Parts: sequence; C-alpha cells; structure tokens
Amino acid sequence: AQSVTQLGSHVSVSEGALVLLRCNYSSSVPPYLFWYVQYPNQGLQLLLKYTTGATLVKGINGFEAEFKKSETSFHLTKPSAHMSDAAEYFCAVTSGGSQGNLIFGKGTKLSVKP
Amino acid sequence: GAGVSQSPSNKVTEKGKDVELRCDPISGHTALYWYRQSLGQGLEFLIYFQGNSAPDKSGLPSDRFSAERTGGSVSTLTIQRTQQEDSAVYLCASSLGGNTIYFGEGSWLTVV
Repeated sequence: AQSVTQLGSHVSVSEGALVLLRCNYSSSVPPYLFWYVQYPNQGLQLLLKYTTGATLVKGINGFEAEFKKSETSFHLTKPSAHMSDAAEYFCAVTSGGSQGNLIFGKGTKLSVKP
Repeated sequence: GAGVSQSPSNKVTEKGKDVELRCDPISGHTALYWYRQSLGQGLEFLIYFQGNSAPDKSGLPSDRFSAERTGGSVSTLTIQRTQQEDSAVYLCASSLGGNTIYFGEGSWLTVV
C-alpha cells in the first residue's frame, strides 16, 4: 500500500525566505510523485511531478523538488517566498502506469508574512 | 472545454435528500477520478474510471454513494439520503495517462 506523510499542517515564512515543505512517501513499487497547490476557493493545480529520470524536478512559480529514494522523500522548495505563494500544498504518490490513482497527503498550509 | 468542468459549483441540500454532481472531463481524457476534500481530512479518493474497464470503487465510503460515466465522457456522482458528514468539496479530475491528473474546481456541498 502507498501512503504520503506531510510534516507540518501549517508552515509560516517571511517574504523572501526559503520555503521548505516536507513530504515522505511509502511505496512498495517505484513511485511517481507529485506536488499540487490549491489557492483559496480553487481546485488543485499541478506544480511539478517526478516520474523517472532526473531526480531534481522544476515546476511552475519557481518551485522545485528532489526525489531521494534513500530517504523516501520528495520535499518541495523555493528559494524566496512571495506573498502570492500563500496556499495549501499537497504531495501525492501513485504507482505509475496509466491506471494509478493518486494518494494524497493531508496538505500543508503555507502562510507568507510581509 | 479547456479544463475539467464541474457543476454545480455550490449546492446546499437538506439532510435526507439526494444530490447529483456532474463532471465534464477534458476532451479525450480516458481516465476520470472523483475525490472528496473535507475540512481537516485532506483529499480522499472515491472512484476511478479508466476507459471501458470496470471502475475502481474502492474509495466510496458507503452504499449511499455511486457514480457512473456515460459514453466514456461525462460522469455523475450521486449521493443518496445525504447526511451532514457528507458536507465537503467534491473534486473531479481527468487524465490521458502519463499520470498528470488535471482537477476541476470542485463542487462545494453543504448538507443542512
């Protein structure tokens, strides 16, 4: 069975500071990993994904994440937070192939202080 | 359309009534998913349709919940005899394989 753990339901950073949102996964097969962002009263938007190949993946809005198999982690980072980054972020895992469904973490709400 | 479309965007219903939520996936997408997002509960998988295969219903929380997908396109999620704990955002998503799943903006259901 697959699962995702997001450490910290709330993270607060100052504008311009580093953003680090943690995600650890459990999977018995090679995982496909995703980060989604949800702005208030909106649906989920894909930020980035890892399937195979390069373990450092870059996404939209300056975010990136690194797949570390040895640590079973896929932490999301951004060097400099912007006020517009305030949102809820979800990490998700699937087993790959066209029939996988996503298993989501419980989400981390990011606040950005001026 | 360009994205996944869901209707209604907001629904308030009385406890015990049935509700239907509709999803129009991205044109040509073969896979369609329903998720439920409850306050403090994160995203919960409900059901998954892939082409003409039998749907994966393993996430449906009770027999009051059902879903169908007609013609491999539009899907309807039906909740019978709604309860207050059914209040949530119901998210539909679709994909063409490749594991990039695109979400609609959700149907906000409130049971009073």
